[in-house]
Amino acid sequence: GAGVSQSPRYKVAKRGQDVALRCDPISGHVSLFWYQQALGQGPEFLTYFQNEAQLDKSGLPSDRFFAERPEGSVSTLKIQRTQQEDSAVYLCASSSLAGGPENEQFFGPGTRLTVL
Amino acid sequence: KQEVTQIPAALSVPEGENLVLNCSFTDSAIYNLQWFRQDPGKGLTSLLLIQSSQREQTSGRLNASLDKSSGRSTLYIAASQPGDSATYLCAVTGYSTLTFGKGTMLLVSP
Repeated sequence: GAGVSQSPRYKVAKRGQDVALRCDPISGHVSLFWYQQALGQGPEFLTYFQNEAQLDKSGLPSDRFFAERPEGSVSTLKIQRTQQEDSAVYLCASSSLAGGPENEQFFGPGTRLTVL
Repeated sequence: KQEVTQIPAALSVPEGENLVLNCSFTDSAIYNLQWFRQDPGKGLTSLLLIQSSQREQTSGRLNASLDKSSGRSTLYIAASQPGDSATYLCAVTGYSTLTFGKGTMLLVSP
């Protein structure tokens, strides 16, 4: 596609529910990143894939957060047993080169998650 | 741990003014620095990317400078327009990831 797309754009979950957020990177992009942006804050790194390999997951806040990219294209960020503090915008970005975060990243519109 | 600070947190100016947004970072071991624009409810749009070996980048009315040794960058916007109203985020690329500041919320009034 022309850009990074994310779905759903908005998600409301009751506390304790599991959610799955999808990211479709720019076609052919090797690297994919997930960020969490709380209200009034800058985005914070969650995890990074190069093709299907998850090379860095140091930013995942707890073991309730899990990300995968099984075929090296679409990625899913799953949050189990959601808590109110998980409410944020979840941004996905992709870059064309395999070198890692130093290459320019292109961002999707984000998924706004609200946990009630 | 890298920390990125942006000053001011918010800025309101009349149309036509030139303005400067500031960004500072604590660890000078960076690959590059990027300035992004974020509109309400939208994702991030990359404005300028400065490699660590460069001193500045220009795009239209925007000019970004980088002083890596002092850990500072500025984004200069010339002849501001109401359409420039948005949040501007600075981010540095370190060993494994982008580290963002909290942003400067800019409002340009007609």
